[in-house]
Amino acid sequence: GIQVEQSPPDLILQEGANSTLRCNFSDSVNNLQWFHQNPWGQLINLFYIPSGTKQNGRLSATTVATERYSLLYISSSQTTDSGVYFCVVPFGNEKLTFGTGTRLTIIP
Amino acid sequence: GAGVSQSPSNKVTEKGKDVELRCDPISGHTALYWYRQSLGQGLEFLIYFQGNSAPDKSGLPSDRFSAERTGGSVSTLTIQRTQQEDSAVYLCASSRSREQFFGPGTRLTVL
Repeated sequence: GIQVEQSPPDLILQEGANSTLRCNFSDSVNNLQWFHQNPWGQLINLFYIPSGTKQNGRLSATTVATERYSLLYISSSQTTDSGVYFCVVPFGNEKLTFGTGTRLTIIP
Repeated sequence: GAGVSQSPSNKVTEKGKDVELRCDPISGHTALYWYRQSLGQGLEFLIYFQGNSAPDKSGLPSDRFSAERTGGSVSTLTIQRTQQEDSAVYLCASSRSREQFFGPGTRLTVL
């Protein structure tokens, strides 16, 4: 099956800092989502981004499908950004393969 | 609008008992998925329903696990004779196209 690797695995930042999270995947995809799992376990949709660039407030994402990677940018981070960020791609029938996740901790 | 809802939010059961977990997808979403997440891990696919097609059960870990989707809407995941390794958060997602939306999950603890 498709492999999804995320980096870095852990990231600790001061409030206000910017960060870039990376997702590499092993095969071509027609669907890619970024999720934020908050400390209460809820999975929150951030972006549906099979290709191109999207922005939503302080967050933006870019997927370069031909090179099999996606980047999530978080600017001016806040403590509420803490949690685990998952890059997710489908395999067969749109079942999702979750990446290993990046655990982000924002320190006030 | 309303998101995906799941019930119960927490379930504690004794080893060997059966449990039923419920998922109400977003209205109009034809696809429904069940996943589980063990502590500190990513999500593991369990089963997928799409419209009236036969479900994709390829992720179910054993024959103790089964799921139904009645009327193309609500789904129930049943775990028979629960084991301690079944303890996890069970998450349901639904979609209309390719973007999936997740419910809050049911935290199952098997003692």
